[in-house]
Amino acid sequence: GQQLNQSPQSMFIQEGEDVSMNCTSSSIFNTWLWYKQDPGEGPVLLIALYKAGELTSNGRLTAQFGITRKDSFLNISASIPSDVGIYFCAGPDSNYQLIWGAGTKLIIKP
Amino acid sequence: KAGVTQTPRYLIKTRGQQVTLSCSPISGHRSVSWYQQTPGQGLQFLFEYFSETQRNKGNFPGRFSGRQFSNSRSEMNVSTLELGDSALYLCASSSGGRETQYFGPGTRLLVL
Repeated sequence: GQQLNQSPQSMFIQEGEDVSMNCTSSSIFNTWLWYKQDPGEGPVLLIALYKAGELTSNGRLTAQFGITRKDSFLNISASIPSDVGIYFCAGPDSNYQLIWGAGTKLIIKP
Repeated sequence: KAGVTQTPRYLIKTRGQQVTLSCSPISGHRSVSWYQQTPGQGLQFLFEYFSETQRNKGNFPGRFSGRQFSNSRSEMNVSTLELGDSALYLCASSSGGRETQYFGPGTRLLVL
């Protein structure tokens, strides 16, 4: 079945640094979603992408829908402490069931 | 609009017991999906209900079941609990098409 591979698995960064993470698949997706999950809470939708090549921003977050439809990227600029959490990519399969990456854990060094 | 609500937020049970978790979707949303999340893992899909019918099912044993009511509220039941069932159970709602899912805060289940 379809799978999403997220990398890196975790990131240790300094406050103020920019962050990049990505999600790849061996098959095509028509929608890419990026979620963030804070500890003990459910994931919250950050950005939704619907067209190949699309670049969408939400504040300091920018996500891109890869031109091949097999990948997506999420960038966070000038990270702050509240950016800590787990970032997931997801995309719907042909039955509209969401397929999820394993997540990228963001940790900010004090 | 109120978000997705889940009750209870925390639950402690012992092996062999059963448990029922509840989810109220966003008003107007007809699709409810359930996920299991264990530490360090992504979200594992359990099942999806749409208009009171199970539309999709993940690879979980028959001890995991669910239902949806006419008001779109959903319940999930786990019978004969095992230690490995300890997890965060998340419910998400959507309007049913390719639209994105909106999650509740989850129910954290601990099986002793």
